[in-house]
Amino acid sequence: QVTLRESGPALVEPTQTLTLTCTFSGFSITTSGMCVTWIRQPPGKALEWLAFIDWEDDKHYSPSLKTRLTISKDTSKNQVILKMTNMDPADTGTYYCARSGYSSSPFDPWGQGTLVTVSS
Amino acid sequence: QSVLTQSPSASGTPGQRVTISCSGSSSNIGNNYVYWYQHLPGAAPRLLIYKNIQRPSGVPDRLSGSKSGTSASLAISGLRSEDEADYYCASWDDNVSGWVFGGGTKVTVL
Repeated sequence: QVTLRESGPALVEPTQTLTLTCTFSGFSITTSGMCVTWIRQPPGKALEWLAFIDWEDDKHYSPSLKTRLTISKDTSKNQVILKMTNMDPADTGTYYCARSGYSSSPFDPWGQGTLVTVSS
Repeated sequence: QSVLTQSPSASGTPGQRVTISCSGSSSNIGNNYVYWYQHLPGAAPRLLIYKNIQRPSGVPDRLSGSKSGTSASLAISGLRSEDEADYYCASWDDNVSGWVFGGGTKVTVL
């Protein structure tokens, strides 16, 4: 059974750096074609793709957030880490990780998500 | 502003058929697969349709996907109360070299 779980701080202050961890089981991110993706949803708004990392450690970022995001993985711990710098109240929302691939692979399954609030 | 365009809402009575549309461009839907997700409040989004028309196991056949050119649709027939949720389309975008989503459609069962 494939599962993913997001973890990280529930509250961050503006200008701080957010670090989120996606811990997964039931698959190996070193398997050819395998990726893990981060997606977020601000309150009342749509889903937004943030970044993904693939089995060869290639990284892809949303163009609008590229300068603020860093994605990495720790294969020994089955974890994918997302860092977002210079947090702003507009970054408040639920952050999800999901198993994925490239264009022919869907986000499936997703983690339950973790709510991050940016406030002083 | 989402790259893919969805109507913000759709509704129907139990048993009716509801269709949700998703419009894009040649860089995304026109040249790549479309995926549909259901999102219930407080829950993880769930994959409903992959590769335009395929249903994962466990998704009932009263849900169906289609694609034509730069647009795609999700149809829900035999509408049920548990179908009340937000629905999102997604596709790979060659210009972004990443994923794009629609703005979501809220389905209400009257």
